[in-house]
Amino acid sequence: DAKTTQPTSMDCAEGRAANLPCNHSTISGNEYVYWYRQIHSQGPQYIIHGLKNNETNEMASLIITEDRKSSTLILPHATLRDTAVYYCIVRVVNFGNEKLTFGTGTRLTIIP
Amino acid sequence: DTAVSQTPKYLVTQMGNDKSIKCEQNLGHDTMYWYKQDSKKFLKIMFSYNNKELIINETVPNRFSPKSPDKAHLNLHINSLELGDSAVYFCASSQGARGARGYTFGSGTRLTVV
Repeated sequence: DAKTTQPTSMDCAEGRAANLPCNHSTISGNEYVYWYRQIHSQGPQYIIHGLKNNETNEMASLIITEDRKSSTLILPHATLRDTAVYYCIVRVVNFGNEKLTFGTGTRLTIIP
Repeated sequence: DTAVSQTPKYLVTQMGNDKSIKCEQNLGHDTMYWYKQDSKKFLKIMFSYNNKELIINETVPNRFSPKSPDKAHLNLHINSLELGDSAVYFCASSQGARGARGYTFGSGTRLTVV
């Protein structure tokens, strides 16, 4: 699976949009971009994933650049409960041995 | 209803003991996983089972033995516990080995070896 690079930490004001960047310059054509988050002491939580088109669900939006070498997770109206570590993961989805490989993630702090 | 449940939530034990952590999922998923999160908060996969069959074993010491009696359960037995085994262990499940729709994680078991 391709390597990802994320900022170590970010702050965002409550009520504003939180934009979390991720670089994955070595991504290959059959690799998806996944985002998970881990709120303190809890298990990781799936947020969203995409291949090349932008995606949106009830939690967030995922913007993937045209060359697919980077992406941005957007939390449109951040709340204090969005304070967590956010992981960007790139992985192949096919038949065979599957695993999510977590990096160090971005620690997002929502400021009241 | 909890989708992926682990027991116990906390486990404190002495070095050399043998202990088990249980995991059950009620999502109808056929693939289950064990992850370890160490003190530096780094999450690392240990095992993966698909329909009771081991498909991933990430060079974990053989003191760790997963057991899957059916596709809804994946238990982790640890023999001769060592101080370095102290960590939070997370169970997860996904639909299919591809897990395309994402993994669902349990709330973790904090193991402390003294």
